[in-house]
Order: sequence, then C-alpha cells, then structure tokens
Amino acid sequence: QAVVTQEPSLTVSPGGTVTLTCGSNTGAVTSGHYPYWFQQKPGQAPRPLIFDATNKYSWTPVRFSGSLLGGKAALTLSGAQPEDEAEYFCFLSYNGARVFGGGTKLTVL
Amino acid sequence: QVHLVQSGNEVKMPGASVKVSCEASGYTFRSYGFSWVRQAPGQGLEWMGWISAYNGHTNFAQRFQGRLTMTTDTSTSTAYMELKSLRSDDTAVYFCARAHHYANSLYDYWGQGTLVTVSS
Repeated sequence: QAVVTQEPSLTVSPGGTVTLTCGSNTGAVTSGHYPYWFQQKPGQAPRPLIFDATNKYSWTPVRFSGSLLGGKAALTLSGAQPEDEAEYFCFLSYNGARVFGGGTKLTVL
Repeated sequence: QVHLVQSGNEVKMPGASVKVSCEASGYTFRSYGFSWVRQAPGQGLEWMGWISAYNGHTNFAQRFQGRLTMTTDTSTSTAYMELKSLRSDDTAVYFCARAHHYANSLYDYWGQGTLVTVSS
C-alpha cells in the first residue's frame, strides 16, 4: 500500500505563513492523485479545506490555499489565526483507493 | 441543509460484528455516495471504502477486503457500514462522509462519528 508522508508537527506565529507538505512513496504527487486537505480539531469530525489540489470549498477561509510544489501537494496558511491550531491531514487517490497522510499538528504560537 | 447523523456508540466482543448507520437528509440521496473513514484513539485517519448510493458500486481498502460490507437503503436515506471479525485494533471512531455517486471524492459533509470499542 502507498504511504503518504507529512511533517509530524509545525509551528507558526500568529499572522505568519506556513506551508504543510504531502508526499508519496510512489513518486511525485500530481493532479492525478486528486489531493485533499482536511483540518481536524480534538473531538470533532474532519473538516475539508481543499479538494483536487487547489480548489476550495465555500467555507474554506481565504487564508488557506492548496498547490502542487516540488513533487508534493502543499497547503499554505497565510496570516495564521489562533483558531487554525489543529491537525491537518492530506488525502491522496491511488487508482480510486484513497490513503491519508499521518497528519501534521500545527501549533500557532 | 445537508446532515449526516450516525448511530450511537457500540461496545463489541472480539470476533463479533458491528453495523454503523449514517442517515442523510437535506439532499437527494441517490445522487451521491458515501465513504467511511475511521480513527483509532490518538491516531490518524484511515480510509475504509466507498459506496455509490446510485448503483451500489463499492471500492474498499485492501486491508478490509472480506471483512467489510457497505450498503445503502434508499427508502430511509441511510448508509450502513458493517465490519466483521472484530479485533481490539478495530477500536476507533468511525465516520461517514458524503461522496460523489460516480467516484470516491467530494467529502464535503461528515457524520458526527461513532465510537466502536472492541473489548472482552
């Protein structure tokens, strides 16, 4: 089974910018992996932020953006807010099956 | 508005089966599908599988093949996930999420989660 890799933890200052990345042990992540990004806070269901690498849901804050960068999927947070402290999961497609990354715990401090 | 409401928490013995339901409202049930995702205590998310509410087509993660069944009931707008031969490492919160009926994608609305505890 494919393995999806993420940074275990990152820290960003309030108002700062941070980029989370999502790689695959099978090679470069491309649009064909249809990358998703989810935000999850303790005790809550995941909340989708980005689909198909770059597309936002109607509720996705403007400060979040998705991209493909250097063979990985990336989630960039520009202007971090205290409420952005959460765990972030990427989610890739492999010929119809899906695999989550291990998650990145983002601290806003 | 779209709502997915899951059944209550369960406690099961090892070797037993569990069936979790996900009742949908606020949209045309057969126009979409469902995916199921689980999360063990303190761990990350794990995709289990997808079912189309339109034609019943399924796609399961390989590790659950043979143990996992997904069904939908159009008359009650409810999706079901049944996992058999439960082990202690199946203890997790199980989530349903809305998907496209034609592909394992979308994930826009989620149920609240159902805790399944497997313990003797």
